[in-house]
Amino acid sequence: SFELTQPPSVSVSPGQTASITCSGEKLGDKYVSWYQQKSGQSPVLVIYQDTKRPSGIPERFLGSNSGNTATLTIGGTQAMDEADYYCQAWDSTAASRVVFGGGTKLTVL
Amino acid sequence: QVQLQESGPGLVKPSQTLSLTCTVSGGSISSGGYFWSWIRQHPGKGLEWIGYIYNGGTTHFHPSLRSRIIISVDTSKTQFSLNLGSVTAADTAVYYCARGVAGTGDSFDFWGQGTLVTVSS
Repeated sequence: SFELTQPPSVSVSPGQTASITCSGEKLGDKYVSWYQQKSGQSPVLVIYQDTKRPSGIPERFLGSNSGNTATLTIGGTQAMDEADYYCQAWDSTAASRVVFGGGTKLTVL
Repeated sequence: QVQLQESGPGLVKPSQTLSLTCTVSGGSISSGGYFWSWIRQHPGKGLEWIGYIYNGGTTHFHPSLRSRIIISVDTSKTQFSLNLGSVTAADTAVYYCARGVAGTGDSFDFWGQGTLVTVSS
C-alpha cells in the first residue's frame, strides 16, 4: 500500500537551513502538503500543492517534490520553528485515501 | 476566517459509539470545492485520516475504518458529524475536524482545536 516515510527527527542550529524529506512511490506525480504541529496545538498547513504557501506562512518555508521524494526546506530556522512536521498526499491506488507521513520532530538546537 | 470547533463526549465506553460534531463558522459548509473532514491523532503518534463528506452528502472513508463510520452534514446548522461504532481502546485519540480543499491534493487549510476522546469502561 502507498506509504509516506519521514525521518523521525531532524536537528538544526538557529539561522541554518533545515530540510525534512518525505518519500513515497512516484510521489512526484502527486500533490504534497506539509503541516506544522507545535506541542499541544492543532496542525497548521505550511505548504500545499508541493510548493505553495498559504497566506501568513513565512517565505522561509519552501517545498519541492520530484521523483519519489518531497522536501520541506526551512531557511534561516528560528526557535519558533521547533515542531513536528507532517507530509500528506492522496493515495490514488485502489485504497483511495488521504495518507500522512509519520512525522518529523524538528529540533532547533 | 473559517473556524471549526469540535464538540462531544470525552469518554466513551468500549463497544459503544463515539459521536462528535464539528461546528463551522466564518464560511459556508455548503460551498463547493471543500471536503469536511475528520482526522485523529493517537496519543504521542502521528495523524490519521478518518474520512470526509462533500457535495452535501457524498462520503469517503479510510478503508480500515469504513465499516464503523458514519459522517453526516447538517447544512442548516453548519455542522458535520462523526459516528464511529464499536469503539475499543485503540480508538482513544485526539479527534480533529478540518476543511480539505479540492484540487490541491486534499490539503487541509483550517483545523479545529481537537478534542480528546478516551475509550474506557
